[in-house]
Amino acid sequence: DGGITQSPKYLFRKEGQNVTLSCEQNLNHDAMYWYRQDPGQGLRLIYYSQIVNDFQKGDIAEGYSVSREKKESFPLTVTSAQKNPTAFYLCATQPEDWAGYTFGSGTRLTVV
Amino acid sequence: AQSVSQHNHHVILSEAASLELGCNYSYGGTVNLFWYVQYPGQHLQLLLKYFSGDPLVKGIKGFEAEFIKSKFSFNLRKPSVQWSDTAEYFCAVNGRGSTLGRLYFGRGTQLTVWP
Repeated sequence: DGGITQSPKYLFRKEGQNVTLSCEQNLNHDAMYWYRQDPGQGLRLIYYSQIVNDFQKGDIAEGYSVSREKKESFPLTVTSAQKNPTAFYLCATQPEDWAGYTFGSGTRLTVV
Repeated sequence: AQSVSQHNHHVILSEAASLELGCNYSYGGTVNLFWYVQYPGQHLQLLLKYFSGDPLVKGIKGFEAEFIKSKFSFNLRKPSVQWSDTAEYFCAVNGRGSTLGRLYFGRGTQLTVWP
């Protein structure tokens, strides 16, 4: 089955640590996106990538970094510079015709 | 810049009541419009979408939405809700022809249906 796999499902981070969230897809979609979901704020775009080895900042990129070395993979690193990292993180892909996103199941990050 | 407004933050209904969730967007060009749903503990999934043609689109589980271009609206409707419709609903838009392709989301509407 084609789809998106996000791991881990739950992640706990100590303050000052960097953590990396995984997003893998086998849909053969070029475009991949990372969103952050907070209650009452909807989905806010962190980073996106339209092609391998290229990515752009979204609306709230500060404190985050990404890489896109393979078409299938778009990992997100939450750095210690992110002041309020506790949130639900969603990865999505989209086919070339901009026909809408397919979402992964998300990673819930908690800073302890 | 594109933006999406969902005016209802939390809607509470009894089973069999009719539903209409408002969605307005701002964008100067042609758009693709979407409604996504997030059931408790599940990931977001596509409910329905509009690209062109008939402005009344039908989606899964009896939902439909009407695109009114003059009002920049894409309201979601269901004639009779069920307890299982309890979820958060997100309206989204992307500008057709945009090289970015990214979706802009509203803040979401939490629907609670009482049995």
